[in-house]
Amino acid sequence: EAQVTQNPRYLITVTGKKLTVTCSQNMNHEYMSWYRQDPGLGLRQIYYSMNVEVTDKGDVPEGYKVSRKEKRNFPLILESPSPNQTSLYFCASSSSPGQSYEQYFGPGTRLTVT
Amino acid sequence: TQLLEQSPQFLSIQEGENLTVYCNSSSVFSSLQWYRQEPGEGPVLLVTVVTGGEVKKLKRLTFQFGDARKDSSLHITAAQPGDTGLYLCAGADDTGGFKTIFGAGTRLFVKA
Repeated sequence: EAQVTQNPRYLITVTGKKLTVTCSQNMNHEYMSWYRQDPGLGLRQIYYSMNVEVTDKGDVPEGYKVSRKEKRNFPLILESPSPNQTSLYFCASSSSPGQSYEQYFGPGTRLTVT
Repeated sequence: TQLLEQSPQFLSIQEGENLTVYCNSSSVFSSLQWYRQEPGEGPVLLVTVVTGGEVKKLKRLTFQFGDARKDSSLHITAAQPGDTGLYLCAGADDTGGFKTIFGAGTRLFVKA
């Protein structure tokens, strides 16, 4: 089954404790992206990757890191989480069908930073 | 900074009514997608529009991309309770990258 998986689905942590949210896709997609979703703000892009070892900032990259060492994986790293990073996070992947950029989303990771 | 303004933010209607959701921007997009999101799940793609003026139909849903590729609309005919959900529009950056801008969403509730 074609899918994007994220782990963990729920995470409660404390300020400053480094964490990683994993994302994996089995569709051989070149493009991957991380978003955060907050009430009233929709989804905001954090980082995206257009291929292995190619990453770029989205609209809200501060406080986050990513890496793309393999095509299927795109982990999101919070080196020193803060309460304002409490949010619902989604990973997405896309093939490169010209201009369409249709994205397939994972189930989400709900992060609470206390 | 590119922005996509989506309206209305919330819509509560009776079964059988028609509705239109709008997505507007001052920026040009290479394509625009509409997604639907259920509680506790990720957004699911409904349609992509690419060409200015393009109209696509998906059963009772009609999607239109503006001629200048700056705006889009979603029209639902004879809404049903199963249409309840959060509808999101998303624009793909026109500069060749993978930057994507989402609207804030329209939460639709269709009462039986």
